[in-house]
Amino acid sequence: DIVMTQSPLSLPVPPGEPASISCRSSQSLQHRNGYNYLSWYLQKPGQSPQVLIYLGSNRASGVPDRFSGSGSGTDFTLKISRVEAEDVGVYYCLQTLQTPRTFGQGTKLEIK
Amino acid sequence: QVQLVQSGAEVKKSGSSVKVSCKVSGGTFSSYTLSWVRQAPGQGLEWMGRIIPIFNTTDYAQNFRGRVTITADKSTSTVYMELTTLRSEDTAFYYCAREGVEGFDYWGQGTLVTVSS
Repeated sequence: DIVMTQSPLSLPVPPGEPASISCRSSQSLQHRNGYNYLSWYLQKPGQSPQVLIYLGSNRASGVPDRFSGSGSGTDFTLKISRVEAEDVGVYYCLQTLQTPRTFGQGTKLEIK
Repeated sequence: QVQLVQSGAEVKKSGSSVKVSCKVSGGTFSSYTLSWVRQAPGQGLEWMGRIIPIFNTTDYAQNFRGRVTITADKSTSTVYMELTTLRSEDTAFYYCAREGVEGFDYWGQGTLVTVSS
């Protein structure tokens, strides 16, 4: 199974400041088609997760442009250019290259 | 607009089974890949398995193999997840989600299953 490792696990950020979350996989997530099968999700308190970024760097529909994803192979990063109060929650990365699908442990973002 | 609507909360005894449903509306149900994801209280997300209704194929996570069965009813566009031999550690929210090119792009609202002794 592909193991997904996120860091940090807790991320206090003042409003308006940037934030960055790392996700590393135990195997490359790059398919022979060139795409990286890595997506990012935000689970707000009391809600279902919602997709933010897919295929490593593509913003999902309706996601603010302050969210961006980068990386390839085994190292990926989610960046928030300026954190807002509504960004509070737990962020997860997910690999969909192989079954079983596997999530990172989650990173809890809070406003400092 | 795709929507996934799950069945309501369940309270079950240890050793019994639970079957959670997920009704899908919008789009072409048979062509979707639909997964089930578990979240224990205060914990992270755990993939349980998936079904592709058009092929009627399933994949399961090793942790659940032998205890979970995922089925699909194409006539009602509904996916089911049955978990048997319940234990207290199975107390969790269970989510269905559609997997597309854009990752897990649609999610159900979650179903809380509480297992009591």
